[in-house]
Amino acid sequence: AQKVTQAQTEISVVEKEDVTLDCVYETRDTTYYLFWYKQPPSGELVFLIRRNSFDEQNEISGRYSWNFQKSTSSFNFTITASQVVDSAVYFCALGMDSSYKLIFGSGTRLLVRP
Amino acid sequence: EAGVAQSPRYKIIEKRQSVAFWCNPISGHATLYWYQQILGQGPKLLIQFQNNGVVDDSQLPKDRFSAERLKGVDSTLKIQPAKLEDSAVYLCASSRVAGGSYEQYFGPGTRLTVT
Repeated sequence: AQKVTQAQTEISVVEKEDVTLDCVYETRDTTYYLFWYKQPPSGELVFLIRRNSFDEQNEISGRYSWNFQKSTSSFNFTITASQVVDSAVYFCALGMDSSYKLIFGSGTRLLVRP
Repeated sequence: EAGVAQSPRYKIIEKRQSVAFWCNPISGHATLYWYQQILGQGPKLLIQFQNNGVVDDSQLPKDRFSAERLKGVDSTLKIQPAKLEDSAVYLCASSRVAGGSYEQYFGPGTRLTVT
């Protein structure tokens, strides 16, 4: 079965703190793809990153970084020096060549307080 | 490049009424998706089109939901008759090609409230 688990329902931090959002996935496919999306209060899901299962290199983009570990089936997302504009719901998703759909986790609501 | 367009943004109807949502994908994107997002949950795929053909509609409640994509561009999702549990945000997304490996780009969604 394919599944994405985001165990953290809600996280609240103070501006400038670092925060890590956890994502654990399940799939039997050897080739798969992992995504992170941001959903601000406006409601539109914004694509952040895609990783394929053969590339375990960590990625950094400005204040954002992603840690992909196949050994623990995790694809965690860290925001460094958080800002109020980072407040949103963040979704992790799983895609596979064997299926056309994306499987989303239930999301983590991040609140960054000034 | 214009993003995915959806209308209306908000709709309130009474149960047993019908409603329709419209989506215009990113230009050149062959694949179009409709998702249902219930409050507090992640999006759930309802139906996927490749050009104007249906690729996956396994989770579409076909007794009340229907969707079409004429000419392989715009799409309409209809609910008839609506139930209280249909209250949700309906998201449209598009991607260049079909497949779980490609990122999907989402529209702003239509928030439906059924009273």
